[in-house]
Amino acid sequence: QKEVEQNSGPLSVPEGAIASLNCTYSDRGSQSFFWYRQYSGKSPELIMFIYSNGDKEDGRFTAQLNKASQYVSLLIRDSQPSDSATYLCAVNLGKLIFGTGTRLQVFP
Amino acid sequence: EAQVTQNPRYLITVTGKKLTVTCSQNMNHEYMSWYRQDPGLGLRQIYYSMNVEVTDKGDVPEGYKVSRKEKRNFPLILESPSPNQTSLYFCASSPTLAGGLNTGELFFGEGSRLTVL
Repeated sequence: QKEVEQNSGPLSVPEGAIASLNCTYSDRGSQSFFWYRQYSGKSPELIMFIYSNGDKEDGRFTAQLNKASQYVSLLIRDSQPSDSATYLCAVNLGKLIFGTGTRLQVFP
Repeated sequence: EAQVTQNPRYLITVTGKKLTVTCSQNMNHEYMSWYRQDPGLGLRQIYYSMNVEVTDKGDVPEGYKVSRKEKRNFPLILESPSPNQTSLYFCASSPTLAGGLNTGELFFGEGSRLTVL
């Protein structure tokens, strides 16, 4: 079992819809969780992090963490074509362990 | 401007010809790391450094060397490149919490695309 798992996608959503990206992890000792966005041909950039169970909102982005079920998700409200990218989930176990990413496509 | 700078950005080389990819950060970060990114495999850590003169292996260190003589620089050395090292390489840095654990907030360089023929 991979330490961090994501569906590779692509996840296609229409402009204005909510995009929901999911990630599961295997190590129950994980304490902090991160979402990175990577545009094609570019480097990853941090967009959200979450440490506690529940929701954390930042603009159009909401990170959700459920430690009991070992999943973390990212919701993007009012999706825009500029949100089209690969979203990498990462778990901090003293070092970051990355998932393989989910490709999101937002179509007009 | 706070940044991580990698060079070269693109390189085509031949098997066995030693090469170095440089990485420099201007944010006074203690933690630095090298990753390679391959389709379907995601980002995999090659080596990391918690501070000057402190380096350790990541998940895929075979065929690579690193050094950390100065805080700002963390070069990646391929002594004898092979075709399976064809990949996109990222250098990253991060501030550290007390105790040396990195915060998870990585700042990435722009990437170096390496092709080994």
